[in-house]
Amino acid sequence: GEDVEQSLFLSVREGDSSVINCTYTDSSSTYLYWYKQEPGAGLQLLTYIFSNMDMKQDQRLTVLLNKKDKHLSLRIADTQTGDSAIYFCAESLNRDDKIIFGKGTRLHILP
Amino acid sequence: GAVVSQHPSRVICKSGTSVKIECRSLDFQATTMFWYRQFPKQSLMLMATSNEGSKATYEQGVEKDKFLINHASLTLSTLTVTSAHPEDSSFYICSARDRVTGFGTEAFFGQGTRLTVV
Repeated sequence: GEDVEQSLFLSVREGDSSVINCTYTDSSSTYLYWYKQEPGAGLQLLTYIFSNMDMKQDQRLTVLLNKKDKHLSLRIADTQTGDSAIYFCAESLNRDDKIIFGKGTRLHILP
Repeated sequence: GAVVSQHPSRVICKSGTSVKIECRSLDFQATTMFWYRQFPKQSLMLMATSNEGSKATYEQGVEKDKFLINHASLTLSTLTVTSAHPEDSSFYICSARDRVTGFGTEAFFGQGTRLTVV
């Protein structure tokens, strides 16, 4: 079945790069996502990547996909205090299919 | 971007009563809406997939009779927690896909509903 795993916590100093890792089990996953959740709020799509891509860059965000290892990562360059949130890795099989989430990684920014 | 509105944002109810949560897509039509439950320590669990005009598809382990889902129109889905108990206290989040673009790259999320059963 579908399963998405990610570490629960990450602490990074302000100005450094943050790298959040995720693994998924379903090799049929076509769409892979990163969502951000700020305290008490819903989820905001940060970025996504198709399974036929290796990398996608969007301003401070870089997504790397290793399809062979079913490993997805999100790199946030020059981490700021406003980046403090929970980051969810997610996947879906098809464009209209349900989205399955990992447990989320809480990113803590150190001064 | 597209907006999904959830109401209420917070609700406190007595044990044994029922609570209805609404999820509306404000500026787009959503053929499919999803209901999630977020447990303490972050875990986000898909409860059911709601399709307009048909019965919801529930995930394994989710009680259909307890969590009633109705998707009567392309802009509204409701989740009713029946005979609520303290263990149903949680953060419930809905999401919707834009029917027109339907690109599948973005499901828009509501702000969530914090349910507390006392």
